[in-house]
Amino acid sequence: GENVEQHPSTLSVQEGDSAVIKCTYSDSASNYFPWYKQELGKRPQLIIDIRSNVGEKKDQRIAVTLNKTAKHFSLHITETQPEDSAVYFCAAPPDYGQNFVFGPGTRLSVLP
Amino acid sequence: DAGVTQSPTHLIKTRGQHVTLRCSPISGHKSVSWYQQVLGQGPQFIFQYYEKEERGRGNFPDRFSARQFPNYSSELNVNALLLGDSALYLCASSLEIALTEAFFGQGTRLTVV
Repeated sequence: GENVEQHPSTLSVQEGDSAVIKCTYSDSASNYFPWYKQELGKRPQLIIDIRSNVGEKKDQRIAVTLNKTAKHFSLHITETQPEDSAVYFCAAPPDYGQNFVFGPGTRLSVLP
Repeated sequence: DAGVTQSPTHLIKTRGQHVTLRCSPISGHKSVSWYQQVLGQGPQFIFQYYEKEERGRGNFPDRFSARQFPNYSSELNVNALLLGDSALYLCASSLEIALTEAFFGQGTRLTVV
């Protein structure tokens, strides 16, 4: 079945720097890849997603890049702010299913 | 514009009891999925329902069951609760069955003592 990994598991950056989180998946037919942000005690919030027919997608300070051949996609956050501090989860669908398999999460800390 | 709503928000149960969690999807969304999130881990898929039919099931024991109603709301039932069932139970709502944007409710925090 689908195996989703994230690296790094924790990431600390200075305010204003960039942060990159990488996600790898195993199933071949995966074609939709979302990223979720979860602040402490809150629900996972969809922040950006990408489909397999696109290599990159941007939304203000957030971007996602996809390398379907290598089976990995990355979240890029530029000009980080303290409110970006949270746990970020990537997800990928299994070959046979309409659900998501989530990665273990990356805890991002933006230091003022 | 109402998002995904779940009830109750918190629940404490004793081992062996059963529990029913409820979810109302975003208006117009027909697909509801349930996930279990243990502290410090990513959400783990339990069930997906679309048009009142089960369309997917994760690796959970038969103590877990769910259903979807004609108004697309959903219930998750867990019987014979174990301490290990303590977790945040999340409901996700999507427009259709196809893989697309899924929006989570605030979750139900279940504590089994």
